[in-house]
Amino acid sequence: GAVVSQHPSWVICKSGTSVKIECRSLDFQATTMFWYRQFPKQSLMLMATSNEGSKATYEQGVEKDKFLINHASLTLSTLTVTSAHPEDSSFYICSASGDRDDYVQYFGPGTRLTVT
Amino acid sequence: AQSVTQPDIHITVSEGASLELRCNYSYGATPYLFWYVQSPGQGLQLLLKYFSGDTLVQGIKGFEAEFKRSQSSFNLRKPSVHWSDAAEYFCAVGVRGNMLTFGGGTRLMVKP
Repeated sequence: GAVVSQHPSWVICKSGTSVKIECRSLDFQATTMFWYRQFPKQSLMLMATSNEGSKATYEQGVEKDKFLINHASLTLSTLTVTSAHPEDSSFYICSASGDRDDYVQYFGPGTRLTVT
Repeated sequence: AQSVTQPDIHITVSEGASLELRCNYSYGATPYLFWYVQSPGQGLQLLLKYFSGDTLVQGIKGFEAEFKRSQSSFNLRKPSVHWSDAAEYFCAVGVRGNMLTFGGGTRLMVKP
């Protein structure tokens, strides 16, 4: 139980294009979803928190116009990297918490983004 | 502000040996504490969590952790390590609104 999926698992895009990453909670309702970025051999950096039906709350230093987050339903959140540049290349991980287990975040498998 | 420190960046143990991964936190209130494991190129899997009650908590894959308030620690242990335990381990403290603050991680390598 408590399965979170991400799609795609990896994506390569050209500089200047936009990429959308989906995060779904498969067997529970996710009232809150989180988006993280992870650089090689480093810990996770929280980018933003989103609650279903509300605007996302971005961490300091994260450009909200570049990283668009939509939490449209209790099982789906999307992260769109707009006008991607090579420095946006990273491993993006989402997590979800909700009615299954208070205060526990369940993580997706991550999405490797490479911008050429 | 809360913080989590994992003093050991890398640890190498022999298969079958015991393991202890250290985690220290700084937080003004009673913390919610977690250990997650990450295999290469994967997301994080919850190993165990502490909210309250018994300070020794059991998790999956034979792991356990002990909460010591006096030392602000939540160390992860396993009596006998298997080669499949090689991974990155993250300690985290839960703060406002279900948010987590992560430690820097400890990379575990297992020698045959």
